[in-house]
Amino acid sequence: DARVTQTPRHKVTEMGQEVTMRCQPILGHNTVFWYRQTMMQGLELLAYFRNRAPLDDSGMPKDRFSAEMPDATLATLKIQPSEPRDSAVYFCASGLEPGVEAFFGQGTRLTVV
Amino acid sequence: DQQVKQNSPSLSVQEGRISILNCDYTNSMFDYFLWYKKYPAEGPTFLISISSIKDKNEDGRFTVFLNKSAKHLSLHIVPSQPGDSAVYFCAASAAGGGADGLTFGKGTHLIIQP
Repeated sequence: DARVTQTPRHKVTEMGQEVTMRCQPILGHNTVFWYRQTMMQGLELLAYFRNRAPLDDSGMPKDRFSAEMPDATLATLKIQPSEPRDSAVYFCASGLEPGVEAFFGQGTRLTVV
Repeated sequence: DQQVKQNSPSLSVQEGRISILNCDYTNSMFDYFLWYKKYPAEGPTFLISISSIKDKNEDGRFTVFLNKSAKHLSLHIVPSQPGDSAVYFCAASAAGGGADGLTFGKGTHLIIQP
């Protein structure tokens, strides 16, 4: 049963703390996306990778957010320092070029207090 | 500036009737359109798609219509069932078919009433 796995599912942290979210894409997929869902903005693309190389991170606040793919089975999204406005659900998705369909994980619900 | 717009935050439809969800876009470079369905506490799941070379795509109870001149697409669900209650996202791609950064609308919450 191929699926995108995200950990943790829920995270509550205090303002100023570092937060790391992890994603295991579907084996064989070469494109990984990070999305953020909020009530106001809907689903926003933060960054994406192809073959582990970052292609676009223009949707990400660069001063506090960073995204990496240490290897083909792991993608990370880090926020340091976290702020209350970062509270949202963060989704990882993976896909296989040239297909367009992106497969989503269950998300990490982040609450920064 | 939102490039994909779903102007109805919610829609209530009686079970057995037709549900019509609408989506408008502004970027004329978009050439592939998708609908995703999302249940609470789950990630969005792909439902149906359409290429810009077509004006209709059907899959069981789900049909997507594309009007390129109006930059408008719609998702028809007939007949509507209770399990269809979910948030539906319209998404678009300008990548010529590549899995590059889908642009999503804000979603429409469909409620199917018994």
